[in-house]
Amino acid sequence: GEDVEQSLFLSVREGDSSVINCTYTDSSSTYLYWYKQEPGAGLQLLTYIFSNMDMKQDQRLTVLLNKKDKHLSLRIADTQTGDSAIYFCAETGGRTYKYIFGTGTRLKVLA
Amino acid sequence: DTGVSQNPRHKITKRGQNVTFRCDPISEHNRLYWYRQTLGQGPEFLTYFQNEAQLEKSRLLSDRFSAERPKGSFSTLEIQRTEQGDSAMYLCASSLAEKGQRGLFGEGSRLTVL
Repeated sequence: GEDVEQSLFLSVREGDSSVINCTYTDSSSTYLYWYKQEPGAGLQLLTYIFSNMDMKQDQRLTVLLNKKDKHLSLRIADTQTGDSAIYFCAETGGRTYKYIFGTGTRLKVLA
Repeated sequence: DTGVSQNPRHKITKRGQNVTFRCDPISEHNRLYWYRQTLGQGPEFLTYFQNEAQLEKSRLLSDRFSAERPKGSFSTLEIQRTEQGDSAMYLCASSLAEKGQRGLFGEGSRLTVL
């Protein structure tokens, strides 16, 4: 079935790079996404990548996709305290248009 | 473009009561999704619409839950005879099928069942 897994926690120092990892099982996924959620708020779409790409860069964000290993990562350069939040990986496409989410990675940025 | 709007943002109700949530998607978006999120979990899919057609429903959507999108614009999610286990954040998202499926979410409606 469809499954998306992420590590639960990540702690980094302000100014360092953060790398959040995600694995998924649906080899027919067409789009993969990263969302950010702050406490009590909805989900903010950060970036997405089409499955025929292996990298996408958007300002401080770099997404890497290894389709063979079904592994997605999000690198945040120069991490700031405002980046502290929960980050969700999601995928869609294949047999359905619904988004399948991971359980989220809580990023804590230490000043 | 004001984004996806959900209301009410918070609802406290007693067990057994009915509640209804409304979602206004981004105007040109043809897909609309409902998700449920409990504390410490990722969003779980409930149902989605393409225009006014409800194309997929999760097994989580018991017969106490019903969703509609009568004119292909706003949508409502009704929960009848609420139970304490229904307490969660209900999230709505919309997307345009032709634009990379970029789902944009509202701020959610938080339900507390006492």
